[in-house]
Amino acid sequence: DVKVTQSSRYLVKRTGEKVFLECVQDMDHENMFWYRQDPGLGLRLIYFSYDVKMKEKGDIPEGYSVSREKKERFSLILESASTNQTSMYLCASSLRQGTKRAYNEQFFGPGTRLTVL
Amino acid sequence: AQSVTQLGSHVSVSEGALVLLRCNYSSSVPPYLFWYVQYPNQGLQLLLKYTTGATLVKGINGFEAEFKKSETSFHLTKPSAHMSDAAEYFCAVSKGNSGGYQKVTFGTGTKLQVIP
Repeated sequence: DVKVTQSSRYLVKRTGEKVFLECVQDMDHENMFWYRQDPGLGLRLIYFSYDVKMKEKGDIPEGYSVSREKKERFSLILESASTNQTSMYLCASSLRQGTKRAYNEQFFGPGTRLTVL
Repeated sequence: AQSVTQLGSHVSVSEGALVLLRCNYSSSVPPYLFWYVQYPNQGLQLLLKYTTGATLVKGINGFEAEFKKSETSFHLTKPSAHMSDAAEYFCAVSKGNSGGYQKVTFGTGTKLQVIP
């Protein structure tokens, strides 16, 4: 089974702090994603990466950056946390499209609930 | 552009009753379609997916969904609800068989409440 782990389940930070959210997957997936989930808005894509050191902006990249130095690890960085970044953050991974049995299905981690005070 | 509409942000059913969660999509090319389930304080778990072939797809926990191209729908059903089915359900769509990275678009979710 694919396993996606996130470094923290719950995190409380103060406004202006730099925040790192870590995600690790163990199934050699090429694609990795960061979403935020807010009530009534569903999942919104922040950034994704289709290879090591590659990254693409999603729908709401403002205020965030990412890093992918190793294939299995994808980090989300809040350079200066603000209260409107209080949310549930979900990491996911998937096989590269065109790979055998790759149908864009994504495998999710348990989420990090971030509160910015 | 692709999009997903889930009708009803909250659905309540009695235990043992039919579960029907509605999803309509738009896509300019043949889609891949997914249903995910999220239990409280957990990530999303894939319930089932449609890629090609048979339009009635069976998933885990007794759920199934039918791809209806003419109606652009992919509704999720279960004949008899269990208390353990209480969760939030997300429908999602991506372009099928198009090579490269294809964005997955998620609906806004439907919370299912099961009444004893």
